[in-house]
Amino acid sequence: KQEVTQIPAALSVPEGENLVLNCSFTDSAIYNLQWFRQDPGKGLTSLLLIQSSQREQTSGRLNASLDKSSGRSTLYIAASQPGDSATYLCAVRRSDYKLSFGAGTTVTVRA
Amino acid sequence: ETGVTQSPTHLIKTRGQQVTLRCSSQSGHNTVSWYQQALGQGPQFIFQYYREEENGRGNFPPRFSGLQFPNYSSELNVNALELDDSALYLCASSFSASSQETQYFGPGTRLLVL
Repeated sequence: KQEVTQIPAALSVPEGENLVLNCSFTDSAIYNLQWFRQDPGKGLTSLLLIQSSQREQTSGRLNASLDKSSGRSTLYIAASQPGDSATYLCAVRRSDYKLSFGAGTTVTVRA
Repeated sequence: ETGVTQSPTHLIKTRGQQVTLRCSSQSGHNTVSWYQQALGQGPQFIFQYYREEENGRGNFPPRFSGLQFPNYSSELNVNALELDDSALYLCASSFSASSQETQYFGPGTRLLVL
């Protein structure tokens, strides 16, 4: 059974600081890993998808790395803004059809 | 191109009742997955439908059932509601059932069981 862990559970930083969010997973036989953003009471917005053959993906201020052998992914958000305040979820996809999610890291960026 | 839509947005039911939640997939998508997200937790996979057939199922009892229609929209039905069924129910669609495809999520339906 795939276990996905996100540490820390919550994070508070001043505006402008870089954010580092961690995700670890127990089974390295994955097809891809996806990072999502969730605003309170809302659905999920896909941020980045990293295929298992890739080491990283970048989109604007966001960069995600993947180390399959050690079962880790890191999401970096550069120069954080108050609008980045949300819960960030990582999810891994194995050789079957479902996503296995972590519980998320709730980020607060203080103005 | 419209995104994934879900209805209703909120719902209140009492224990023992039945509920039907609806999802319209993104244009061109033939695969729909349903997830349950309890407060403070990550989403848990319920099941997936691909071209009107159940393609996989998570660890949920049979009182959770679903349908997918020829236009690829989908329903989630839950019978004999329990208090623990209170959660945000998320629907996600993708272009195909391939593991390489990104899943796009709807805004969810918040269900409260009293």
